Amino acid sequence: GAVVSQHPSWVICKSGTSVKIECRSLDFQATTMFWYRQFPKQSLMLMATSNEGSKATYEQGVEKDKFLINHASLTLSTLTVTSAHPEDSSFYICSASFRTQRGEQFFGPGTRLTVL
Amino acid sequence: DAKTTQPTSMDCAEGRAANLPCNHSTISGNEYVYWYRQIHSQGPQYIIHGLKNNETNEMASLIITEDRKSSTLILPHATLRDTAVYYCMSGYSTLTFGKGTMLLVSP
Repeated sequence: GAVVSQHPSWVICKSGTSVKIECRSLDFQATTMFWYRQFPKQSLMLMATSNEGSKATYEQGVEKDKFLINHASLTLSTLTVTSAHPEDSSFYICSASFRTQRGEQFFGPGTRLTVL
Repeated sequence: DAKTTQPTSMDCAEGRAANLPCNHSTISGNEYVYWYRQIHSQGPQYIIHGLKNNETNEMASLIITEDRKSSTLILPHATLRDTAVYYCMSGYSTLTFGKGTMLLVSP
């Protein structure tokens, strides 16, 4: 149980285009979903936290107009990277939690974004 | 969230127990201790968590000291597939990933 999927697993796009990444909790309803970014040889960095039906809370330094997060249902959250640039190339990982204690998170397999 | 410190790397022979230490001396009363691991180029995997008592599940055991300032994750019989970066974190509502411990399990 507690499976989280992401789509696509990898994507290559041209600079200036937008890319949407989907995160789904397959066998549970997620009260909270999280989006992380991981650059090569670095640890995961939390970008934003979202609860179904409400606006996402972004971490300091993360541009909310560039990284649009929609959490339309208890099983789906999307991250859209708008006007992507090469420096946005990274490994994007989502996680979901269904417990009040939100530290217990179930992670998706990640999406490798390469911006040319 | 409280800060944690872990060794940068550890080695373990296949079949032996792997004991991964973590220091979280500034942990507050309602913060849990969480352990995750990340195999290369994959999303992190939840292992175990605890508050005060020792915990065990099908993957590992978590030993938390009485003063809660440190803990040890135990993989009882390490296999090659346990090679990964292991993250110890403390908190309640969010996770702050540090650099973790790179565990290398060798034949």
